[in-house]
Amino acid sequence: KQEVTQIPAALSVPEGENLVLNCSFTDSAIYNLQWFRQDPGKGLTSLLLIQSSQREQTSGRLNASLDKSSGRSTLYIAASQPGDSATYLCAVNTDKLIFGTGTRLQVFP
Amino acid sequence: SAVISQKPSRDICQRGTSLTIQCQVDSQVTMMFWYRQQPGQSLTLIATANQGSEATYESGFVIDKFPISRPNLTFSTLTVSNMSPEDSSIYLCSVEEDGNLFGANVLTFGAGSRLTVL
Repeated sequence: KQEVTQIPAALSVPEGENLVLNCSFTDSAIYNLQWFRQDPGKGLTSLLLIQSSQREQTSGRLNASLDKSSGRSTLYIAASQPGDSATYLCAVNTDKLIFGTGTRLQVFP
Repeated sequence: SAVISQKPSRDICQRGTSLTIQCQVDSQVTMMFWYRQQPGQSLTLIATANQGSEATYESGFVIDKFPISRPNLTFSTLTVSNMSPEDSSIYLCSVEEDGNLFGANVLTFGAGSRLTVL
């Protein structure tokens, strides 16, 4: 059974710091891995999608990496801003999306 | 990418009643999904809404409690039946847009429907 874990569960940092959010999964047989952002009271916004054959994807200040063999993905956020404050979820796609437990990020001015 | 509209965005319901959530997509999609996010927890897949046939439910979810309709390729409903306080959650609709390779596409989510059951 696929299980997805995210570390840390919560993170509070000053503005400007570079951050690494971690995601681990137990079964490497995935189609892809997706990182989402969830703002309070709102739905999910897809940030990055990494196909199983890819190693990383970049979008602006975000960079996500994937190491399927070790069951790990990281989301790197460069030069964090207060607007980055949200919950970040990773999800692995097998025949359905399995979500991680999330990392609640707060960036303070 | 597809734009998803969910209604209602939030509601407060009485125990024992039922509520139907609507999900409208601005384009035709093959795969539509319903998720639940209980307070403080991550998302759990309830079922896959199949067009023209019964939904496919995940372990722990049954049709009597969560009946789903999918009359066409742009619309689906989820009903939460005989609600109890434990059903207080955010319910989200999601779509996987048509593509050449199953599982290779970005999943898009609606804004969710926040239900509070008293």
